[in-house]
Amino acid sequence: KAGVTQTPRYLIKTRGQQVTLSCSPISGHRSVSWYQQTPGQGLQFLFEYFSETQRNKGNFPGRFSGRQFSNSRSEMNVSTLELGDSALYLCASSSLSGLRDSGNTIYFGEGSWLTVV
Amino acid sequence: GQQVMQIPQYQHVQEGEDFTTYCNSSTTLSNIQWYKQRPGGHPVFLIQLVKSGEVKKQKRLTFQFGEAKKNSSLHITATQTTDVGTYFCAGPAGNQFYFGTGTSLTVIP
Repeated sequence: KAGVTQTPRYLIKTRGQQVTLSCSPISGHRSVSWYQQTPGQGLQFLFEYFSETQRNKGNFPGRFSGRQFSNSRSEMNVSTLELGDSALYLCASSSLSGLRDSGNTIYFGEGSWLTVV
Repeated sequence: GQQVMQIPQYQHVQEGEDFTTYCNSSTTLSNIQWYKQRPGGHPVFLIQLVKSGEVKKQKRLTFQFGEAKKNSSLHITATQTTDVGTYFCAGPAGNQFYFGTGTSLTVIP
């Protein structure tokens, strides 16, 4: 079955603009989580959604937001982009009810590379 | 704040040598998960440990979860060039999910 699909794979934006990234989880998976990866800060948790509800949120400013649709697809939005937002944004899906559940297997997408200039 | 540190940050080994990475959290984790990320790739889930003191093996890989659920280790026996990549530990604490700082493994043929 198809894996986690993220679009777009690469994009360049200008400071002050906003960006929307999309994630389609593995069919049947209802939990979607988002992460930011940078060389300086490593992998950082952004938020987790399950059945259209945000369950957990990392320590990121309000410029970072997300949502999940009834088909489990998810989007994340970053408004008023800053140079420091340049990163690989990863989405992951899992079949159980969340990151804290035992017996969970979490699948990552290939990520969206965002460059802010 | 909450931190999950891994040591070493980098490790170069000769093919056939063993490798270990250690993961230490400042607070208790509900479970510990390990991921491998190849250069230019995305993290790939390896395993999840849930119980205090749990040990699991996957072929040449041995994973341990500490008694206090604040530390973990990944040991690879007789490394191969296919083991190259960065290994991350990760786990939930409270309503957050934390990744370790990662250990980058280079295997010299």
